[in-house]
Amino acid sequence: DVKVTQSSRYLVKRTGEKVFLECVQDMDHENMFWYRQDPGLGLRLIYFSYDVKMKEKGDIPEGYSVSREKKERFSLILESASTNQTSMYLCASSFVYGSSYNEQFFGPGTRLTVL
Amino acid sequence: SQQGEEDPQALSIQEGENATMNCSYKTSINNLQWYRQNSGRGLVHLILIRSNEREKHSGRLRVTLDTSKKSSSLLITASRAADTASYFCASQGDTDKLIFGTGTRLQVFP
Repeated sequence: DVKVTQSSRYLVKRTGEKVFLECVQDMDHENMFWYRQDPGLGLRLIYFSYDVKMKEKGDIPEGYSVSREKKERFSLILESASTNQTSMYLCASSFVYGSSYNEQFFGPGTRLTVL
Repeated sequence: SQQGEEDPQALSIQEGENATMNCSYKTSINNLQWYRQNSGRGLVHLILIRSNEREKHSGRLRVTLDTSKKSSSLLITASRAADTASYFCASQGDTDKLIFGTGTRLQVFP
């Protein structure tokens, strides 16, 4: 079974703090994704990575950065957390486009509250 | 925004009834996928339909795709209380990225 794990289920931080969200997958997937989910807006892609040290901006990258030093690990960084970054953050992984299966496998999510 | 849309936003039915959710997307696609999310959890992949397919079945799930109208529907037959969840469609073009819809919240009452 594919497993995608996220470092925290719930996180409370203060405005201005640097926040790290970690994601690990055990399926040797090339692609990893970070989304945020807000009521009524569905999932919006923040960043994705298609290989180690490679990254591409998604739809809403402002205020975020990412790091992928190892294939199985993808980190989302909020350099200076703000209240409008309070949200549910979801990590996902998948094989590359063109593989037999293009589905994404999701972690359980991290609910981040910025006070 | 290229984000897809789903309707209805929310749907309440009794156990045993069928539930139908609709999805519209904006760009040409390679495939369209449906995901389920239980409250406060991650998403789970349900079914994928390719652009050259019109209908696909998996257990109690039936998905249709109309590329001329850029729309898809998900039918859950004989709903159960355990089907209560949010359902999202996601379109995929010729890249690794998915574009998700806004989701339908399904409540199935026992």
